[in-house]
Amino acid sequence: GEDVEQSLFLSVREGDSSVINCTYTDSSSTYLYWYKQEPGAGLQLLTYIFSNMDMKQDQRLTVLLNKKDKHLSLRIADTQTGDSAIYFCAERAGLPLWDAGGTSYGKLTFGQGTILTVHP
Amino acid sequence: DTAVSQTPKYLVTQMGNDKSIKCEQNLGHDTMYWYKQDSKKFLKIMFSYNNKELIINETVPNRFSPKSPDKAHLNLHINSLELGDSAVYFCASSQRLEETQYFGPGTRLLVL
Repeated sequence: GEDVEQSLFLSVREGDSSVINCTYTDSSSTYLYWYKQEPGAGLQLLTYIFSNMDMKQDQRLTVLLNKKDKHLSLRIADTQTGDSAIYFCAERAGLPLWDAGGTSYGKLTFGQGTILTVHP
Repeated sequence: DTAVSQTPKYLVTQMGNDKSIKCEQNLGHDTMYWYKQDSKKFLKIMFSYNNKELIINETVPNRFSPKSPDKAHLNLHINSLELGDSAVYFCASSQRLEETQYFGPGTRLLVL
């Protein structure tokens, strides 16, 4: 089955870069996502990367994907106190619905989340 | 305008009660989902509906029954609530099953 793992905590100083890491096991993954959850709030989609890409940049966010090692990272440049939140990595199973019996295609599997704390 | 909305935002109730959580999306998406986030923040899918049809049904007690009256709504009814049902329940939607999911703000359920 699919499994996604992240480190639980990351603490950085304001202005530094943050790197949040994620590993996954499903070799058929099609898309990989990063979501942000602020305290008491819902999940906000930050960015995503298709599995045939190795990098995607969006303003302060850089996603790196090493498909061979099944490793995904999110780098936040110039981290601000407002970036303090829980960051979830998620992978989407790639098997077609009819081959997978309707239980894995489209299903997102989430990591347990990394709590990012930014100190002034 | 909220894209994916849920009601209520908070729900505190006694064990044994029956309760419903509602979800609506105004994005015109075909697919909707329910997720459960436990106290350790672990997120797990419960159900997915595509065009009002159930397509993903993870191992969830049959006390949980989703209902989709139309493509824009997916409600979750829970019978005989138990302490272990306390969690945050998130609704999400996507244009199609394989596309990016957008989440609602969550419903915080506390069973006493």
